Amino acid sequence: EDQVTQSPEALRLQEGESSSLNCSYTVSGLRGLFWYRQDPGKGPEFLFTLYSAGEEKEKERLKATLTKKESFLHITAPKPEDSATYLCAVLDSNYQLIWGAGTKLIIKP
Amino acid sequence: GAVVSQHPSWVICKSGTSVKIECRSLDFQATTMFWYRQFPKQSLMLMATSNEGSKATYEQGVEKDKFLINHASLTLSTLTVTSAHPEDSSFYICSARGHTEAFFGQGTRLTVV
Repeated sequence: EDQVTQSPEALRLQEGESSSLNCSYTVSGLRGLFWYRQDPGKGPEFLFTLYSAGEEKEKERLKATLTKKESFLHITAPKPEDSATYLCAVLDSNYQLIWGAGTKLIIKP
Repeated sequence: GAVVSQHPSWVICKSGTSVKIECRSLDFQATTMFWYRQFPKQSLMLMATSNEGSKATYEQGVEKDKFLINHASLTLSTLTVTSAHPEDSSFYICSARGHTEAFFGQGTRLTVV
């Protein structure tokens, strides 16, 4: 059964303290892995798509990487405005999106 | 990135009335649109998948007669919550998919009183 698991469930960091969020998956025929950011009361905002193991993408303080079993979202020197819930989703061979439960990231000034 | 517009962003309605939520892809053609519901502190729960010009596919446990989905064109899908009740109060989000990536609307906060 296709499954996406995100960890940790919640993460509190001091401003400037770098860390990583994990998204592990088991899926038949991965067509893509997506990272989104969601602020309270708003729809998810697209961040990255990764298609194959070894691929990396960067945007400002965020860097996403992908292996055959998991993806990491690295956040470097975070700021309070990076506080949000980060969602991971995979697109399987049937073009179905399978979601993780998300990681709530809190950056304290 | 691509833009998906969802309207309204919030709505309050009386119990027993119906509410329509619109989802538009503004700069691309969406062959597939998804409707999600999100409960507080939980991830997105897929309600239904719709392809342009065909009937929506509903997830198990979602009442198709209560949540009417129409995907009349490649840029517009609507979700109508019929005979709304307080337990239908939630955050509803649409998503439109182009080639592979899916983009989301801003969401609609529905409160039924």
